Amino acid sequence: AQSVTQLDSQVPVFEEAPVELRCNYSSSVSVYLFWYVQYPNQGLQLLLKYLSGSTLVKGINGFEAEFNKSQTSFHLRKPSVHISDTAEYFCAVNTGNQFYFGTGTSLTVIP
Amino acid sequence: NAGVTQTPKFQVLKTGQSMTLQCAQDMNHEYMSWYRQDPGMGLRLIHYSVGAGITDQGEVPNGYNVSRSTTEDFPLRLLSAAPSQTSVYFCASSYSGGSAYNEQFFGPGTRLTVL
Repeated sequence: AQSVTQLDSQVPVFEEAPVELRCNYSSSVSVYLFWYVQYPNQGLQLLLKYLSGSTLVKGINGFEAEFNKSQTSFHLRKPSVHISDTAEYFCAVNTGNQFYFGTGTSLTVIP
Repeated sequence: NAGVTQTPKFQVLKTGQSMTLQCAQDMNHEYMSWYRQDPGMGLRLIHYSVGAGITDQGEVPNGYNVSRSTTEDFPLRLLSAAPSQTSVYFCASSYSGGSAYNEQFFGPGTRLTVL
């Protein structure tokens, strides 16, 4: 089975500072990679996805992620965070017909 | 276009009771799935379906049943609730699984407490 590791369970960062949320996955076979965001008491929303092609993927709200096949990583970055970015972020992998999620990273933006 | 809808939003059960969590989507998606979300565990796949009449087990299927008689609906049944099933349940759908069209759309969730 696939496993997805989000190395940081909580990330506090000051407003307008850059942030990186880390994600590593286990499979070496072809996978599709995603980042989702969950705001309090809501379902998950897609931030961005990597299917193929360019390894740098841009998503909504100024987020981007870089796929690194050799390191099996898909880290999420934003150059300048806002208060409204405070949320839970999930990395996910799709292989075959199953989706596997990481345990989540809680991003808190400090004014 | 309502997207993915789930009912109820909240439910409290006693141990041993049964209930069905409802999920419906109006996007004509072939793939539907159920997850449970627990603190520190992320989302774990319970069951999924790749089309009407086809279901399969995910990572944590024990204690749950599903069926898919129509493309739109994918109910999750708890036959005999246990406190370990206290969780937030999310239904999701996508055009398909394992393809380039597999962005999942999530419902708002059902918060279930089993006493």
